[in-house]
Amino acid sequence: GENVEQHPSTLSVQEGDSAVIKCTYSDSASNYFPWYKQELGKGPQLIIDIRSNVGEKKDQRIAVTLNKTAKHFSLHITETQPEDSAVYFCAASRRAAGNKLTFGGGTRVLVKP
Amino acid sequence: EAGVTQFPSHSVIEKGQTVTLRCDPISGHDNLYWYRRVMGKEIKFLLHFVKESKQDESGMPNNRFLAERTGGTYSTLKVQPAELEDSGVYFCASSQVTSTWAETQYFGPGTRLLVL
Repeated sequence: GENVEQHPSTLSVQEGDSAVIKCTYSDSASNYFPWYKQELGKGPQLIIDIRSNVGEKKDQRIAVTLNKTAKHFSLHITETQPEDSAVYFCAASRRAAGNKLTFGGGTRVLVKP
Repeated sequence: EAGVTQFPSHSVIEKGQTVTLRCDPISGHDNLYWYRRVMGKEIKFLLHFVKESKQDESGMPNNRFLAERTGGTYSTLKVQPAELEDSGVYFCASSQVTSTWAETQYFGPGTRLLVL
């Protein structure tokens, strides 16, 4: 089955700096890669996603890149703000498997004012 | 539009007791998923319903877990009897059935289960 590795497990950045989280996946058939943000006491919330026919996607301060050959994808947050502090999860899925998500272990991001 | 709701938000039970978790998906979402995150580990898939049918229950840990989705609306996940290792946060997610590559899954706030 699919296996997703996520690094780093914790990340501390100064407000205004950039944050980068990296994930690798094992199943070359995976074709959908969402990123979720989880704040304390809440459920995961989708912040951006990318499909395997696209190499990069951007939404304001958030961007995701995908390298299918290397089987890795990354989340980039620019101009970080204190409200970006949360746990971030990457995930992978494929339609043939019912789109069930396989998650990485999560990255706890702390943005210091 | 209301999001995915889960009940209860927290549950503390003793080993050997029974607990039933409930999930109400977003109206019109035929896909319903259950996931679980145990202490400090990744969120793991448990099972997937399409309407009232179980599509994939490959992630269910053992036969102490029973999920139902009668009528294809809300779903329940019962743990009987509960064991210590069942402690964790149980998430429900729902999505629409579409013809696209993948449907966005919307997560509920989770039920925090503690088995003592």
